Order: sequence, then C-alpha cells, then structure tokens
Amino acid sequence: GAVVSQHPSRVICKSGTSVKIECRSLDFQATTMFWYRQFPKQSLMLMATSNEGSKATYEQGVEKDKFLINHASLTLSTLTVTSAHPEDSSFYICSGRPLTNEKLFFGSGTQLSVL
Amino acid sequence: KQEVTQIPAALSVPEGENLVLNCSFTDSAIYNLQWFRQDPGKGLTSLLLIQSSQREQTSGRLNASLDKSSGRSTLYIAASQPGDSATYLCAVPPSSTSGTYKYIFGTGTRLKVLA
Repeated sequence: GAVVSQHPSRVICKSGTSVKIECRSLDFQATTMFWYRQFPKQSLMLMATSNEGSKATYEQGVEKDKFLINHASLTLSTLTVTSAHPEDSSFYICSGRPLTNEKLFFGSGTQLSVL
Repeated sequence: KQEVTQIPAALSVPEGENLVLNCSFTDSAIYNLQWFRQDPGKGLTSLLLIQSSQREQTSGRLNASLDKSSGRSTLYIAASQPGDSATYLCAVPPSSTSGTYKYIFGTGTRLKVLA
C-alpha cells in the first residue's frame, strides 16, 4: 500500500508557541490531503482538506487562522498550530489518497501536548 | 447529515473466537465504506474497502459486508488472535459527494483478544 509519513510523532510545547506538523506522501502524489484531530477515546474529526496549490477548505468550527495549512507540493502538506493553548492538545492525523487507489492512507499521527 | 455509529463500543473475547463488529450509517447514498484498524497512539491502517455496488469484501481472516438499503456494515473476524487487539473504525464519505473522500468516521469498537 501507499505510504504516508508524518512528523513529528510527538511534540510538547509551551502555551503560545507555534507547532508545525508535516505530512508526506512517500510513493504517490496527493493533490488532496486531509487533516484530522482525535481526542482520547473519540473518533476522528475532519478539520480541513488540503489542496495542492490552492487554499485549504476548513470544516465548520475550525479556525483557519489558528490551524494554518500549506500544500505547496504534490507530496507535502503541513499543518501549523499557531499560538497553541492547552485545549489544542490532541492527536493530529493526516491522510492522502493516490489517484489510482480509492483507499485512504494515513500517517502515524502526532500527539501534541501544550503545557 | 451523515452519522456513523458503531456497536459495541468495546469488546473483550478469548483467543480463537469468531466475532462481528457492527457499523450503521444514517444516509444510505454512500459511495463506498472503509474499515480501518487503529493501534493505540498510532495512525490508521485500511483493512477493507467496499464499493457501494458490492456486498462484501474479504482479506484473510477478515470479511466485511455491506447492506446499503439498511445502512449497515459488519466486519467479521475469524479465529481472533491477541494481535487483533486494536480499535476498529468504519468510515463513509458524506452522501452524494463521491470522489471527495471526506470520510466521516464512526466512534470505533475497542477490541481486546485475550490469550
């Protein structure tokens, strides 16, 4: 199957700092990638759809100025959590889909802890 | 609005048992349905994808069925093993949005197989 690499796997930061999470498709091109967040023992909630070469589309209730998404190439999407606060602590996961495969492939996730 | 429900929320079984996980969705106009596995603190692994025109898919000890008209899918795991312990998630795209792959996830079933 296709491989999606996500880094870092875990990050601890102070309140007010910004954190960047990278999501790379290693063996396929992804014009679209998806960013999810997941709270403990809850399911995944779609935050935004990252579109290569254009602006991301955000789900209702997700602040676009707080969660900056950049999809500058066909293999890399980044999510920056700006001015992080403790309530932003969560598990963030990205996913992508090869054009020739209808399955979604996920990164290994990033556990963000904001102190 | 599509809603996805999974029961049971948690399941603990002895090794060797055959088991069934259930997934229900409110809008039957789906494009496809995927079953995923998530290990603690990890990303998701796609197990099976069923197209809306299919009734079932099989992979090894896993068999997933789909009944669109009743809004249900089941994941059957044969001869369960301790290594099957994980959270199992089903997901469908929102109705009438084929191709966008903005999957809506169920809350998952946490499976524990006892040795």
